[in-house]
Amino acid sequence: GNSVTQMEGPVTLSEEAFLTINCTYTATGYPSLFWYVQYPGEGLQLLLKATKADDKGSNKGFEATYRKETTSFHLEKGSVQVSDSAVYFCALSEASGTYKYIFGTGTRLKVLA
Amino acid sequence: DAGVIQSPRHEVTEMGQEVTLRCKPISGHNSLFWYRQTMMRGLELLIYFNNNVPIDDSGMPEDRFSAKMPNASFSTLKIQPSEPRDSAVYFCASSPLRGANVLTFGAGSRLTVL
Repeated sequence: GNSVTQMEGPVTLSEEAFLTINCTYTATGYPSLFWYVQYPGEGLQLLLKATKADDKGSNKGFEATYRKETTSFHLEKGSVQVSDSAVYFCALSEASGTYKYIFGTGTRLKVLA
Repeated sequence: DAGVIQSPRHEVTEMGQEVTLRCKPISGHNSLFWYRQTMMRGLELLIYFNNNVPIDDSGMPEDRFSAKMPNASFSTLKIQPSEPRDSAVYFCASSPLRGANVLTFGAGSRLTVL
């Protein structure tokens, strides 16, 4: 079946450091790919998305590129801030008619001042 | 738009009691998902509906759990009887039923079973 695998956390970085959180997927067809973020005590919210191969999603300085050849959707940010501390989830939405959503296990990011 | 509305936000109950969690999806959204989140198991999909019809309930842990969606604007997740291991945050999310569908999550219902 379809699945999403993302790197284990927690990830601890100093402010202004470069961030990469790896995400790979297994899917039939052409799923849509997403990154969601969860701040403490809140529900998940969409960070960015990409709907087809080579698309780049971006938001708030975060970027991720849909790489079909490597089945990856790695999240990057050039300079993290303390306010970026949160849990990040990679997800896919199946391309079939059921549109089932599958999430990765989440990666906790802690940014130190 | 008020977003996805969940109630109650917090519930503390004793083992053996019935628990009902409620969700009102965003108007016009045809898909509704119930997730459970714990530190140990992360985010788990319990069940999802398309056009009020359950599509996949393979994530429902056992027969003590049941979910209904009687109409497009309301869904319930019921646990009967509840057990301490059911303690978790339960999230409801909704989306339009189409490709590249973005999920909108509610704020969650934190359940504690003593």
